[in-house]
Amino acid sequence: LAKTTQPISMDSYEGQEVNITCSHNNIATNDYITWYQQFPSQGPRFIIQGYKTKVTNEVASLFIPADRKSSTLSLPRVSLSDTAVYYCLVGDDYKLSFGAGTTVTVRA
Amino acid sequence: KAGVTQTPRYLIKTRGQQVTLSCSPISGHRSVSWYQQTPGQGLQFLFEYFSETQRNKGNFPGRFSGRQFSNSRSEMNVSTLELGDSALYLCASSTLTGDKNTEAFFGQGTRLTVV
Repeated sequence: LAKTTQPISMDSYEGQEVNITCSHNNIATNDYITWYQQFPSQGPRFIIQGYKTKVTNEVASLFIPADRKSSTLSLPRVSLSDTAVYYCLVGDDYKLSFGAGTTVTVRA
Repeated sequence: KAGVTQTPRYLIKTRGQQVTLSCSPISGHRSVSWYQQTPGQGLQFLFEYFSETQRNKGNFPGRFSGRQFSNSRSEMNVSTLELGDSALYLCASSTLTGDKNTEAFFGQGTRLTVV
């Protein structure tokens, strides 16, 4: 499984855009990049998944450069309710390997 | 469509006892995985079942076991409980249609406290 590295924490304010970059230098050809969000005492929730270039859904955008050695999750116009831990995962879906994640704190 | 259901939500057990946790996946999902989450170790993969067969196992001692029934419901069992087993135990289900990167849906978890 490809190892991922992401910042431990990030602070932001309501209405701003938050960008979290994840490094995954050893990503395999068949690996997808998936991001999950977790609130305290709840299970993680799928946010977005991509293989290359850019993916966008109603919640976030995922930017993946051509070499796929990193990816950036973009959360537009965050609100207080976006305060959570965000995990970047690479590899098999049925053996999800969660790192420490990035704690995003949104302030008023 | 109902989500992943885990029971019970909270549990307090004494050291040395055993415990069984239950997980009902989303209807139609045949893959069920279990994870342990602690403040110190984060989210760690325990094992995964598909069509009643364990296909993958994480680095946990043999005290941790599981099974899956024909209706895809799954149970995990922890025997001879230790204080360090106190954690949030999460179950996730997915369709696993052949594309190995399908989305996993997590339950709310079972908070186990060992005293």
